[in-house]
Amino acid sequence: DTEVTQTPKHLVMGMTNKKSLKCEQHMGHRAMYWYKQKAKKPPELMFVYSYEKLSINESVPSRFSPECPNSSLLNLHLHALQPEDSALYLCASSQRGLSGNTIYFGEGSWLTVV
Amino acid sequence: QQQVKQSPQSLIVQKGGISIINCAYENTAFDYFPWYQQFPGKGPALLIAIRPDVSEKKEGRFTISFNKSAKQFSLHIMDSQPGDSATYFCAASKGYGQNFVFGPGTRLSVLP
Repeated sequence: DTEVTQTPKHLVMGMTNKKSLKCEQHMGHRAMYWYKQKAKKPPELMFVYSYEKLSINESVPSRFSPECPNSSLLNLHLHALQPEDSALYLCASSQRGLSGNTIYFGEGSWLTVV
Repeated sequence: QQQVKQSPQSLIVQKGGISIINCAYENTAFDYFPWYQQFPGKGPALLIAIRPDVSEKKEGRFTISFNKSAKQFSLHIMDSQPGDSATYFCAASKGYGQNFVFGPGTRLSVLP
């Protein structure tokens, strides 16, 4: 089982709602990520936090707002989403191995926007 | 230049057969190439990874072959099992970069 824990596993929200996705890891990794994955597509990088600072923002719409309260936690705040934002949202963390960064993904949060 | 191409899109193999998935890249700055396995309803999990200073890496039934001059790498699954049925993504990154480029994925079905 993955050591990156995501909650909730499923979320249905209306276009006017505000909700949050939460992610936690206790592996001591100092980089944490949010990815978005549509059906039958690869994960798309949204945000990277490195040492609790936002290091990569892949031009994601402002209706997605990340937050990294501490080195173990990562949140994704959602507001005024569109139906096309329905997807699997994956949290991940990484550590530097001998060869490169190894990314560990959580099981994801399935988001449906109605 | 940032793309990673992957083929085939889907693959059906008999139990005990060899599954082969191919990837190609353009950006010569890429120097770390992991493969991820994703089961339905789960997040991707690292399967095996290689750097371009070796031509082959084997872990159990899984082998990566790497051709630096052709900018291609492939995953071979020997003695394929029904439990290997999943979607496989190749990926590439530069050094210890955090921005991985994923291939479009290959859906593997291993028939019993």
